[in-house]
Amino acid sequence: EAGVAQSPRYKIIEKRQSVAFWCNPISGHATLYWYQQILGQGPKLLIQFQNNGVVDDSQLPKDRFSAERLKGVDSTLKIQPAKLEDSAVYLCASSPKPGQGAQKNIQYFGAGTRLSVL
Amino acid sequence: AQSVTQLGSHVSVSEGALVLLRCNYSSSVPPYLFWYVQYPNQGLQLLLKYTSAATLVKGINGFEAEFKKSETSFHLTKPSAHMSDAAEYFCAVSFLSQGNLIFGKGTKLSVKP
Repeated sequence: EAGVAQSPRYKIIEKRQSVAFWCNPISGHATLYWYQQILGQGPKLLIQFQNNGVVDDSQLPKDRFSAERLKGVDSTLKIQPAKLEDSAVYLCASSPKPGQGAQKNIQYFGAGTRLSVL
Repeated sequence: AQSVTQLGSHVSVSEGALVLLRCNYSSSVPPYLFWYVQYPNQGLQLLLKYTSAATLVKGINGFEAEFKKSETSFHLTKPSAHMSDAAEYFCAVSFLSQGNLIFGKGTKLSVKP
């Protein structure tokens, strides 16, 4: 079974530029998450999708961050314009549809995109 | 507010020694509890999870954790450390079956030969 795919792996941009990250979840997984992991900290949820609908975006800085999950499969996360404090690893995770047995509580993570804002 | 506290940002053990990584949570309702491991430049991999079944949970690579409600703890242990266990370990809680994970700050484990 293929895992969660993310691209690019690394990105370096200057402040005020825009950037986009892409995530393809595990096939059949209904729920998709984007987390931000700043160096030295644990991941923090930015947004959660259930199919193509947003479940929780309370911690997403909506003035500069946006995310979409068209057709309920892959997703993109965009930052425009980027700030220095956006330097972090952006992790995408997916989990199965509720009710799919013991797997329903498990989130599977991609390798992440490491963003450096200069 | 729910939170997770991992005591010790860095733990160092000798190869073959006991590994003990501490995790405490705060919650007014029973949580789901998880331990994830992160190797350099990789995503997070699930080690084990507690979802209200047995309080002693066995995971991959010889790790286990015990849920203690009275102490609000979910410490991770391994009887004998191996060099390949060197990584960063994250404790996380969730309060809904499909809710987001709230992570601790992580503990970096070093294993000395």
